[in-house]
Parts: sequence; C-alpha cells; structure tokens
Amino acid sequence: DAGITQSPRYKITETGRQVTLMCHQTWSHSYMFWYRQDLGHGLRLIYYSAAADITDKGEVPDGYVVSRSKTENFPLTLESATRSQTSVYFCASSEVGGRETYGYTFGSGTRLTVV
Amino acid sequence: ILNVEQSPQSLHVQEGDSTNFTCSFPSSNFYALHWYRWETAKSPEALFVMTLNGDEKKKGRISATLNTKEGYSYLYIKGSQPEDSATYLCASLEDALNFGKGTSLLVTP
Repeated sequence: DAGITQSPRYKITETGRQVTLMCHQTWSHSYMFWYRQDLGHGLRLIYYSAAADITDKGEVPDGYVVSRSKTENFPLTLESATRSQTSVYFCASSEVGGRETYGYTFGSGTRLTVV
Repeated sequence: ILNVEQSPQSLHVQEGDSTNFTCSFPSSNFYALHWYRWETAKSPEALFVMTLNGDEKKKGRISATLNTKEGYSYLYIKGSQPEDSATYLCASLEDALNFGKGTSLLVTP
C-alpha cells in the first residue's frame, strides 16, 4: 500500500523508441502530475490531469503524451525518445490540486536514460 | 509560468546553527505557496502549504512565514541537525505547482 507507485524505477532505451512510464495511486486523488528533474532546472511540469479523461499541458510537454482513462492511473509516453529526454521523472498526486491545504504526494521516480 | 526563485542555492552549516532560506514568487494571482523537503535518493515530501498573507507554520524545529503582498516566504530551521540535510523546495501554485530550483542544505556534525 505504497500510495503512489511508479514503474519502472530505471529504464534504458534507444533513441527513437517509444517508452511508457507508469504511475498508479491508491487514494483516488483527483489530480495527478508528471514532472521531470534535470540538473540546473529543478522540477518542471510536463502534464497534469484534474480528473479522468481531463489532461493539460505543463511547461515542457513536447514529445510526451499522457492519458487518464482511470482515476488511479496516469501513464506518460515518450512517443519517440530523444537523448534530451534523459531525466528523472516524478509522478505526483493531490486530492484537490493544491488549492486547499493539501500538498502533493510524489512517487519514487523513474530514472530514464536514452542512448 | 510564474518565476519562483530560491536563495541561496546551497548552504553548509554546522550542527546547532540556525538557518533560513528565501523563496520569492510573483505576488499577482497568488493561490498558495508550498514547501517541500527532498532528501537524496528519495521523493519530495510536503512540509507546509501556506495560503494567507502573514501565515506562519511550524513543524518541530522548522517554521515558515509568508508575505503574499511582497511575494516572499522564509523557511527557518532552528538548531540544525545532520538529518536536516536535504534540498528544500518551494513552489507557487498556478494550475499546478511551479517549483523553484531549491536550496541544498548540508549540516555537518
């Protein structure tokens, strides 16, 4: 009952391949988010979702696709991986999007290397 | 995208020292300001969520203040301990959290 789990923890893929990072939460939180962490940039928002079937772009969405067919899952797909997408990816969830007094809960991260 | 700035970028203190960090954010259209603690090889963990001007929050030796009119928040650690070593992130809320780059704190015995 980890609450929010990401898989895989580590992934190496080749340039041009499609890869999907999984995120699953057990709390039925409405909001889910994908961030990437890069040296010198901190956490940058890729996509977020306010509810099932509702997704919106964040700061750095290019090259990524998300879906949210079920409340508990929010997969992130790199359609054709590039080396610039080598990063650590964090999924997070929040009960009401943070506009109340709730913080985000983060998964353990997926370290993706594109070679 | 709101521009959230944190200073200093890194800090090295001795055990027992008190320290503070600054987070600045655009004050227009303010919704909330979050602080997170991020230990190496772990995930960020929420410390405080602050919404009102003048808010003060405290958790043990860590406290935070918020000034929404001038767009800044301070995080204070009293009597730093080695286990306080971590990166401290602040984030301002738009449609989602926009994070600063963090302040990396190292506390040595």
